[in-house]
Amino acid sequence: DGGITQSPKYLFRKEGQNVTLSCEQNLNHDAMYWYRQDPGQGLRLIYYSQIVNDFQKGDIAEGYSVSREKKESFPLTVTSAQKNPTAFYLCASSIDSDNSPLHFGNGTRLTVT
Amino acid sequence: SQKIEQNSEALNIQEGKTATLTCNYTNYSPAYLQWYRQDPGRGPVFLLLIRENEKEKRKERLKVTFDTTLKQSLFHITASQPADSATYLCALVDNDYKLSFGAGTTVTVRA
Repeated sequence: DGGITQSPKYLFRKEGQNVTLSCEQNLNHDAMYWYRQDPGQGLRLIYYSQIVNDFQKGDIAEGYSVSREKKESFPLTVTSAQKNPTAFYLCASSIDSDNSPLHFGNGTRLTVT
Repeated sequence: SQKIEQNSEALNIQEGKTATLTCNYTNYSPAYLQWYRQDPGRGPVFLLLIRENEKEKRKERLKVTFDTTLKQSLFHITASQPADSATYLCALVDNDYKLSFGAGTTVTVRA
């Protein structure tokens, strides 16, 4: 059964700590994305990757980092430089980066205190 | 970049009625527009894509229209059911080919 797996579902960290969110897909999709969702706001793009070993900054990349060493995996690191890290993080993939629909994981809710 | 506005108010409707959601955008008309459904605590699920040369698209009880003159898409759920209760997001490609999302409209269907 193909899909996108995000783990963990809930994550708690102390301020000043870096944390890495996992995203794995077995859909054989080339493009992968990280979005952040806050109450009352649309999804905001953090980073995206169109092919392995390449990625680009989205609209709110500051304080985040990614890697794309394998086609299936696109982990997101939330660094201590991110001012407001508490949010719902969504990973997505698509066949390509044109008009293909996005397939989303079920998100990771990160709480930083 | 595009500014996308969806109904800011939540929509509460009686089962069996039609729900109509609005998605307005401010800048250039995109080549296509997508609609997604999101349930609480879960990721969005793709529903429909409509291209700029298509006036209307249907899928089961869902209908989407795209008016590039008004810079607006309407999303209709006909014969609504309690199971249709969710938040619906519209998304369109920005001038740098990335997908931008509206904040969504929450629909509650009362039995």
